[in-house]
Amino acid sequence: DTEVTQTPKHLVMGMTNKKSLKCEQHMGHRAMYWYKQKAKKPPELMFVYSYEKLSINESVPSRFSPECPNSSLLNLHLHALQPEDSALYLCASSQDMSSGNTIYFGEGSWLTVV
Amino acid sequence: QKEVEQNSGPLSVPEGAIASLNCTYSDRGSQSFFWYRQYSGKSPELIMFIYSNGDKEDGRFTAQLNKASQYVSLLIRDSQPSDSATYLCAVYRNFGNEKLTFGTGTRLTIIP
Repeated sequence: DTEVTQTPKHLVMGMTNKKSLKCEQHMGHRAMYWYKQKAKKPPELMFVYSYEKLSINESVPSRFSPECPNSSLLNLHLHALQPEDSALYLCASSQDMSSGNTIYFGEGSWLTVV
Repeated sequence: QKEVEQNSGPLSVPEGAIASLNCTYSDRGSQSFFWYRQYSGKSPELIMFIYSNGDKEDGRFTAQLNKASQYVSLLIRDSQPSDSATYLCAVYRNFGNEKLTFGTGTRLTIIP
């Protein structure tokens, strides 16, 4: 079972709102990822957690705040977003961060900022 | 030079024919290579991975890797309309920066 579950599937939020995207996996994976994907573009890495510690932050603006409460959960807290932040946000996981481990994606959360 | 390059397409292939998707990468130290399929409005789905030079076959799919030429390809035999999607090539970079780098994707259309 290679399942990464993301909620909500769709989210519309105003620029002054605070919301969160949630991600869960029960595959025992120790690396979890947030990617952002705009239309007709490839996924862009935002954050990587390895063994519940933030390992990579790709210079993401502070209005995006990741959190890894435990090895199965990953959150992305959103605050004061801009319309250009509207995109598909993909959570993913892999066994660990070693080169070659397959990354499995969730179905994504479609975010619209109005 | 982009780290991972793909022809954006669209690539149109008749049903039943072989679709050939190509990808080149710039980092000679890259060791792991992945092909993802992404339907419109959906998330990427892993199709194949390959680590060693040569061919790797899985059903109608064959991944080919040539590290000397820094080239990886995906062949889809007996193409079906359901194969119409964007195919993303992804490469793991090494040297302490373990992150997956994606190409821009090739849009494939299978014509019935």
